Amino acid sequence: DVKVTQSSRYLVKRTGEKVFLECVQDMDHENMFWYRQDPGLGLRLIYFSYDVKMKEKGDIPEGYSVSREKKERFSLILESASTNQTSMYLCASSRAGLVNTGELFFGEGSRLTVL
Amino acid sequence: AQSVTQLGSHVSVSEGALVLLRCNYSSSVPPYLFWYVQYPNQGLQLLLKYTSAATLVKGINGFEAEFKKSETSFHLTKPSAHMSDAAEYFCAVTPNQAGTALIFGKGTTLSVSS
Repeated sequence: DVKVTQSSRYLVKRTGEKVFLECVQDMDHENMFWYRQDPGLGLRLIYFSYDVKMKEKGDIPEGYSVSREKKERFSLILESASTNQTSMYLCASSRAGLVNTGELFFGEGSRLTVL
Repeated sequence: AQSVTQLGSHVSVSEGALVLLRCNYSSSVPPYLFWYVQYPNQGLQLLLKYTSAATLVKGINGFEAEFKKSETSFHLTKPSAHMSDAAEYFCAVTPNQAGTALIFGKGTTLSVSS
């Protein structure tokens, strides 16, 4: 069964802490994505990657960075967490040629609370 | 820029009633369209997708959607709601620009009462 695994389902961090959210997929997908989900705002794209060591900014990249050192792993980094980054974070992956397939496979999400 | 609008952030139906969740897109070029479902405390999963092969698309769990180019719509329906259908539903569209990601609507929460 195909799988996207997010390392932490629930995290509580303090303002100013550095936060790492890890995502691993076992489908050999080229594309990986980080979304943020907030009530009433839907899913907003933070960053995505079409290849190892490659990244593209999404709609709301401010305050975030990403790392993709290996094909199967895509990490989201909050350099200095702030309370307005309290949210649900969703990782997803897809095969190359997004327009042709379009299907994203999602992890179960990481709910981050910043105090 | 491409966008997708879901009308109604919250829809409530009785068990056995028709489910209708609305989605409209803005595009001069027919895109690929998707419906995803998110059950409580889970990630999103694909419900169905339109890729221009047929305007009426059938998905999992008895859901279907019809692509109407003249109305730029892709509404999701199910003839008879079940309690297990309670979830959040997202419409998504492929962007006009190559090399960019799916664009999601803001979601519609479906509540089903007995």
